[in-house]
Amino acid sequence: EDQVTQSPEALRLQEGESSSLNCSYTVSGLRGLFWYRQDPGKGPEFLFTLYSAGEEKEKERLKATLTKKESFLHITAPKPEDSATYLCAVLDVAGANSKLTFGKGITLSVRP
Amino acid sequence: DTGVSQDPRHKITKRGQNVTFRCDPISEHNRLYWYRQTLGQGPEFLTYFQNEAQLEKSRLLSDRFSAERPKGSFSTLEIQRTEQGDSAMYLCASAGISYEQYFGPGTRLTVT
Repeated sequence: EDQVTQSPEALRLQEGESSSLNCSYTVSGLRGLFWYRQDPGKGPEFLFTLYSAGEEKEKERLKATLTKKESFLHITAPKPEDSATYLCAVLDVAGANSKLTFGKGITLSVRP
Repeated sequence: DTGVSQDPRHKITKRGQNVTFRCDPISEHNRLYWYRQTLGQGPEFLTYFQNEAQLEKSRLLSDRFSAERPKGSFSTLEIQRTEQGDSAMYLCASAGISYEQYFGPGTRLTVT
């Protein structure tokens, strides 16, 4: 069964203090790894898809990387508006076009 | 592109009542997913449609839950004889030719 573990559960940063969020996964075969941002009371907002080890994607202050066992979401010089829960999910090759398996998410708070 | 929409956004019901939620996917997307999310957890897969065909259901999905997608457009999720444990955020997502799933704002269900 696919498993996704995210750490830490919560992270508090000072504005401008860069850090990384971790997503470890176990799948029979990885079709894709996805990062989402979720604000309180709202649905997840798509950020990135990574397909193979070594791949990197960037968007503004966010950069996602992928290895064969884990993914990192690096946040450079965060701002208070980056405060949200960041969800990681995997799509198993055995379940192409089917369900995503999510981790519990990492709640990020950025203080001004 | 107006995104995925869900209705209602909030629903409060008494235990034992039936409830129905609606999801309108992004217009050109042929795949539609339902997930459930409780506090502090990531979204959990419930069921999946490709066009009007329901192709996968979670083993965790009680017989009280049923979903339809007539004509491959909007979808409905019905919960019969609601229980307090059904209280959660119900999320709908849609996908097109790529693997990315785009989520709606969710329907928050409270069973009293």
